[in-house]
Amino acid sequence: AQKVTQAQTEISVVEKEDVTLDCVYETRDTTYYLFWYKQPPSGELVFLIRRNSFDEQNEISGRYSWNFQKSTSSFNFTITASQVVDSAVYFCALSEENTGNQFYFGTGTSLTVIP
Amino acid sequence: DAGVIQSPRHEVTEMGQEVTLRCKPISGHDYLFWYRQTMMRGLELLIYFNNNVPIDDSGMPEDRFSAKMPNASFSTLKIQPSEPRDSAVYFCASSLRLKKTEAFFGQGTRLTVV
Repeated sequence: AQKVTQAQTEISVVEKEDVTLDCVYETRDTTYYLFWYKQPPSGELVFLIRRNSFDEQNEISGRYSWNFQKSTSSFNFTITASQVVDSAVYFCALSEENTGNQFYFGTGTSLTVIP
Repeated sequence: DAGVIQSPRHEVTEMGQEVTLRCKPISGHDYLFWYRQTMMRGLELLIYFNNNVPIDDSGMPEDRFSAKMPNASFSTLKIQPSEPRDSAVYFCASSLRLKKTEAFFGQGTRLTVV
């Protein structure tokens, strides 16, 4: 079973629009970690954020914000006032404290911001 | 720190040839991962090491693939013999105390087997 699901394969928005990328995870661990990575057209994977399961406080960093809701097992990522430079593939990932020592990645959401 | 360094960045080889990909993790990191990325399968974990010891190689596709980590600052992923279906981008990543920190990725090696 897929541990991390990113149902949105591709999204296109017009510059300055807000966009939310969905991430749903599945785990039986009570302690786990969630991550978002960005993969721009140049190909590298850039770490954006880590969230611990015991910290449900939402986080904002500039135009980026993350909404962590344990009740729905979701860790969604919102870009406010999108820019062309935000065009990339975004990956959500999960790491579990007790059942495995690897990062489980979603299939990614390809975001295109149209100028 | 220079980050995770992979070499080569691009590799084109003929089917049947041996290919060796190299990785230098971030100094002090105790976990090292090898991932493969393709359009069809996305990001796949091939193998990971903890303190230079292979912990889980269940993602290695077949015996043609092998990975080593002779010391804390170097790892290799070898494919012998290579096949066209091995064409992909191979990423190396490292992390510190895996379960509490993120993994940092290298820039990847784009492998093309013709």
